[in-house]
Amino acid sequence: NAGVTQTPKFQVLKTGQSMTLQCAQDMNHNSMYWYRQDPGMGLRLIYYSASEGTTDKGEVPNGYNVSRLNKREFSLRLESAAPSQTSVYFCASSEVKVQETQYFGPGTRLLVL
Amino acid sequence: QKEVEQDPGPLSVPEGAIVSLNCTYSNSAFQYFMWYRQYSRKGPELLMYTYSSGNKEDGRFTAQVDKSSKYISLFIRDSQPSDSATYLCAMSLNINKFYFGSGTKLNVKP
Repeated sequence: NAGVTQTPKFQVLKTGQSMTLQCAQDMNHNSMYWYRQDPGMGLRLIYYSASEGTTDKGEVPNGYNVSRLNKREFSLRLESAAPSQTSVYFCASSEVKVQETQYFGPGTRLLVL
Repeated sequence: QKEVEQDPGPLSVPEGAIVSLNCTYSNSAFQYFMWYRQYSRKGPELLMYTYSSGNKEDGRFTAQVDKSSKYISLFIRDSQPSDSATYLCAMSLNINKFYFGSGTKLNVKP
């Protein structure tokens, strides 16, 4: 039981490049989330998916797209990376009935030059 | 104005001390209140969860919510070096969108 896994662990991009951050969970959770964490800003919700086939915007969705591929996987795509997207990205999942118990992945550190 | 304000610290205490961590918030509609612990270069892990007002105790940890003052606290009794981490408060209106504080870094010295 690996919990929430994220790939890659670390990535360097040049401005304008695209990439997809992958997230998978093996806890059979319905809800999945993408956050970014910046110094002094805390965790901010980018997108979430309450169930397979649905996605909704969070606090800072601009510049990102998401795909809920199936119940296990939720990916985050940067179409044209900008230096302002340099951050640590966390994926999380939770069960519908206990949404407050979010399980987080180890994070992806992204540097955009 | 940020939805949730949290003193970034760092907070340095000797082993065995009682630690008090706090957050204030602006949205009186928040109903779900959580505390997460985050070790360096790791994802956050849930410590405590409280719905609406009141206190909740779990071992050495006590969470308090004062909705009239828009203020929440986490107390750690008999603090240990293993408690050294960043503590994040979080709160939510509708259990799908969570608002996090920026985190308080705690260092417990042996």
